[in-house]
Amino acid sequence: AQSVTQLDSHVSVSEGTPVLLRCNYSSSYSPSLFWYVQHPNKGLQLLLKYTSAATLVKGINGFEAEFKKSETSFHLTKPSAHMSDAAEYFCVVSEWRVEVGGTSYGKLTFGQGTILTVHP
Amino acid sequence: ETGVTQSPTHLIKTRGQQVTLRCSSQSGHNTVSWYQQALGQGPQFIFQYYREEENGRGNFPPRFSGLQFPNYSSELNVNALELDDSALYLCASSERTGVYEQYFGPGTRLTVT
Repeated sequence: AQSVTQLDSHVSVSEGTPVLLRCNYSSSYSPSLFWYVQHPNKGLQLLLKYTSAATLVKGINGFEAEFKKSETSFHLTKPSAHMSDAAEYFCVVSEWRVEVGGTSYGKLTFGQGTILTVHP
Repeated sequence: ETGVTQSPTHLIKTRGQQVTLRCSSQSGHNTVSWYQQALGQGPQFIFQYYREEENGRGNFPPRFSGLQFPNYSSELNVNALELDDSALYLCASSERTGVYEQYFGPGTRLTVT
């Protein structure tokens, strides 16, 4: 069974300093991995995705993540934080599932989230 | 390109009642998934609809049911509401079923009193 562990529930940085949000995953097969961001009282926005192509993935708003199979990690980074980056971030793994009845689907499993605070 | 939309934005119901939440998928997407996000938690997968059939389900009881229509829009129905059903309900659509990215709507905040 697949699972995701976000190693920090809260991360606090100063504006202009680097951001690191850590994520480890567990999956039976080669996973597809995503990072989503959720601003207060909003839905989820896709930041970036890894689907077995390049291991360094670039996303929107200057974020990037590196897939490390040996470490089963998919950490999210940004060189310089901006006040608008303050939000909750979710690491997500997608895996192909086959039901008993024969139907199949891609299931997303979310981590518990990391709240990023950016100080001026 | 129109994104995923959901209605209503907020809803207050009493324990034991029934509720229907609605979702319109992004243009060109034929797969809709529903998630429940309790306060302070990550979203939990409820079920997925593909071509008007439920093709996957998470650990939710049968009182959570759904529909998908020919235009790929979808409904989530919850019967016999319980206090623990209070949550943000998120709908997501994708181009097709599989390990593809899903695009989320803004959610419906359900409060059960």
